[in-house]
Amino acid sequence: AQKITQTQPGMFVQEKEAVTLDCTYDTSDPSYGLFWYKQPSSGEMIFLIYQGSYDQQNATEGRYSLNFQKARKSANLVISASQLGDSAMYFCAMRGAREAGGTSYGKLTFGQGTILTVHP
Amino acid sequence: DAGITQSPRYKITETGRQVTLMCHQTWSHSYMFWYRQDLGHGLRLIYYSAAADITDKGEVPDGYVVSRSKTENFPLTLESATRSQTSVYFCASRRGLVQYFGAGTRLSVL
Repeated sequence: AQKITQTQPGMFVQEKEAVTLDCTYDTSDPSYGLFWYKQPSSGEMIFLIYQGSYDQQNATEGRYSLNFQKARKSANLVISASQLGDSAMYFCAMRGAREAGGTSYGKLTFGQGTILTVHP
Repeated sequence: DAGITQSPRYKITETGRQVTLMCHQTWSHSYMFWYRQDLGHGLRLIYYSAAADITDKGEVPDGYVVSRSKTENFPLTLESATRSQTSVYFCASRRGLVQYFGAGTRLSVL
């Protein structure tokens, strides 16, 4: 079974500082994908960044980067130069293993989330 | 670009009633998903669909029914609502590797 663990219920950061949100995962599938989503107070789920298990380099998207440490099974999200609008809940998720027959439906397993608060 | 829309956004119902949550996507994505979000659990998969007329159970399917007669629609029905089904429900569709979510439906069962 797959599992995602986010051990930080809440994090605080000063505006313009960098912050790291932790995510560890567990899977027996050699092929998997890791995602980060942002959920602002308005409630929608916004895709931020993706990292494939075979990707050689850490994924980056603007101010977001994913610190992927495969041996440690961690996929931490780094937000550089935090902004007030970054205050939100952040979820780490993992793409499901391939089903029998090789099909991957892409089912996601989510962590419990981390609430990030950016202070001015 | 309408994307993926859920309706209603808010719903209050009583225990024992049947409730249907609607999900419509304009992208013609094959894969669609229903999740529920509860405090302390993150999002959990209820049902998913690989194409029209192909659906399967996720992690927490009990008490729910889905159908997918057309690619663009993926309704979720609570056959006899219970208080434990009070939650926020998200529909998603998949393009490539990434799932894109609707705005969610907040359901309260009294």
